[in-house]
Amino acid sequence: GAVVSQHPSRVICKSGTSVKIECRSLDFQATTMFWYRQFPKQSLMLMATSNEGSKATYEQGVEKDKFLINHASLTLSTLTVTSAHPEDSSFYICSARGNGNTQYFGPGTRLTVL
Amino acid sequence: QQPVQSPQAVILREGEDAVINCSSSKALYSVHWYRQKHGEAPVFLMILLKGGEQKGHEKISASFNEKKQQSSLYLTASQLSYSGTYFCGLEIGSGNQFYFGTGTSLTVIP
Repeated sequence: GAVVSQHPSRVICKSGTSVKIECRSLDFQATTMFWYRQFPKQSLMLMATSNEGSKATYEQGVEKDKFLINHASLTLSTLTVTSAHPEDSSFYICSARGNGNTQYFGPGTRLTVL
Repeated sequence: QQPVQSPQAVILREGEDAVINCSSSKALYSVHWYRQKHGEAPVFLMILLKGGEQKGHEKISASFNEKKQQSSLYLTASQLSYSGTYFCGLEIGSGNQFYFGTGTSLTVIP
């Protein structure tokens, strides 16, 4: 089956710093990647959709200057949380989709901002 | 935009059946179902692409009513391993918008 990796799996940082999360499709080419955020006991909320080589489409209420998404290749997308604050602490999950309709999820990154 | 699931939570004894419903206010392109264990990423269960399609995976199956913009997940003869939070995922429009439902917490007890 298709495998998606995320790195790091867990990160703790100080308030005001930036954090980069990588999402890689290991054995297929991902034309579309999705970034989600999940707070405890809540559903996954779509943050943005990115297609390789084009700008990401952000959901309403998600600040594009704070959550920078780069989908530079068919196997890599990055999410950078700039000037992170404690309220940005969450579980961030990416998913990747190739030519079919199925989304394959990464294992998630737990971000804690102190 | 977020699809609504019902019930929010359900507790079953091993061997009992359950139905989880997912409703959308928008026309659907496809329906996906996932199960998430605590602290882990969602695991894909199945996808339904056509209105009226039904699919099965062991004792877990699903239906898709395109007209009603609804999907239902059926779990029969539940096992302890079925415990987790179930999410529907709906592709809306031409398929480049994807939203998870509100989630249903399912607990199977011996």
